[in-house]
This record gives sequence, C-alpha cells and structure tokens, in this order.
Amino acid sequence: DAGITQSPRHKVTETGTPVTLRCHQTENHRYMYWYRQDPGHGLRLIHYSYGVKDTDKGEVSDGYSVSRSKTEDFLLTLESATSSQTSVYFCAISAGLALPGELFFGEGSRLTVL
Amino acid sequence: AQSVTQPDIHITVSEGASLELRCNYSYGATPYLFWYVQSPGQGLQLLLKYFSGDTLVQGIKGFEAEFKRSQSSFNLRKPSVHWSDAAEYFCAVGVSQTGANNLFFGTGTRLTVIP
Repeated sequence: DAGITQSPRHKVTETGTPVTLRCHQTENHRYMYWYRQDPGHGLRLIHYSYGVKDTDKGEVSDGYSVSRSKTEDFLLTLESATSSQTSVYFCAISAGLALPGELFFGEGSRLTVL
Repeated sequence: AQSVTQPDIHITVSEGASLELRCNYSYGATPYLFWYVQSPGQGLQLLLKYFSGDTLVQGIKGFEAEFKRSQSSFNLRKPSVHWSDAAEYFCAVGVSQTGANNLFFGTGTRLTVIP
C-alpha cells in the first residue's frame, strides 16, 4: 500500500460543469503526478508537481489545471468538463531520487462526462 | 522527443507457456526503462526497471527483461505463465524534465491466459 488515496473514485457529470479530483498521499513524497488512461493511448501525463506550489504541464494539459498547496494533496481541476475528458485518471507519487524513478499509483478515478 | 512503442495490443498464451512482450523506445539520452503491470480496476504496479549495468534485469513475479541498446528494445519475458498473470502490461521510459524526472508510457499490451 503506497499510501495514495484518490477521490472521488467514480463521478458522472455533465458537459460544462467544473470537476475537481483529489489525490492525497501519506508518504510525504515530493513528486506527484496526474495521468489519464484511455484505450489505445496508454497513460499520458497531464500535470506534475515537484514541490508545494511547484507544478508544470505534461503532454496533455489543455483543459486541466492543478494546485498543490500542501505536500500531501494534489488537486486536478477541469474548469469546464467536455466529453473528451471522459477517462480514468490516475495519481502517482515518487520519492524523486536522482534518477527517473519508480512511481506508485493510486487506484484511479473514473470520470464520465455526459 | 521520447516515445515508447508496444507493437502487440493483445496477446493470448496458454498457462505454462513462455511469454515475451515487446517494447521499443526512442530517446536521445541514456534510457531509464520500466515495465508496469495493471490488473483490472487497479492502478499500476512496478515489475522491474533498468537504469544501467547488467542488461538482463530481474523483477517481481518471475518476470525478467533484457535491454538491447542496438535494437532500442526492452522486452519482457517470463518462462512459464500463470493464470494470475492475465493483466495489462505497460513499458515506460524515464525522462528528465523541468523540476522532475517523468515517465512516458507505451499504449500497453493486454495479456490473456487460457487454461
């Protein structure tokens, strides 16, 4: 158990509504990540954080924002959800040693945008 | 730019048979390579990783992978598959980016094991 909790685990929403997914860790790791998983695309990095208030974009960041006000929480926000954002979202954490590291994943949040 | 290719979308093997899952990567620098496994409804779990040194790396659950720089490959193998190995397998390459070292994943290979 890597001490990662994602909430909500399942959510159905309508196009145009805001959605926030939360990732909470108990490991005090510096690095946190949000990925989305879609059939035929594998996992794609949305945003990542390398410290409190330090975040950067990944390869599919359009339409998403993130915030990290404390070490243990990393929030992913869809300001105005679209059907193309229907996906399974995974949070991951890493101790972030010198080398690209081992990620520990949460169990995922399934989002459906109608 | 980095990329990972897993050419096989779906593989079916019989229980007890050997397994090889293919992975090819593209990255300009020294690659850091990983294999992850995902059981249905679960997050991903690390099977093994390659950073440097011995090109044959051992992982959990009896898996191994061989790094071949000349072929830009990092294929995953298991000599005898068990029914519990049915899952989706992802190859990934580690990349240094602003402030962090990030992983980029292939599209995955789904493994079905038949009795």
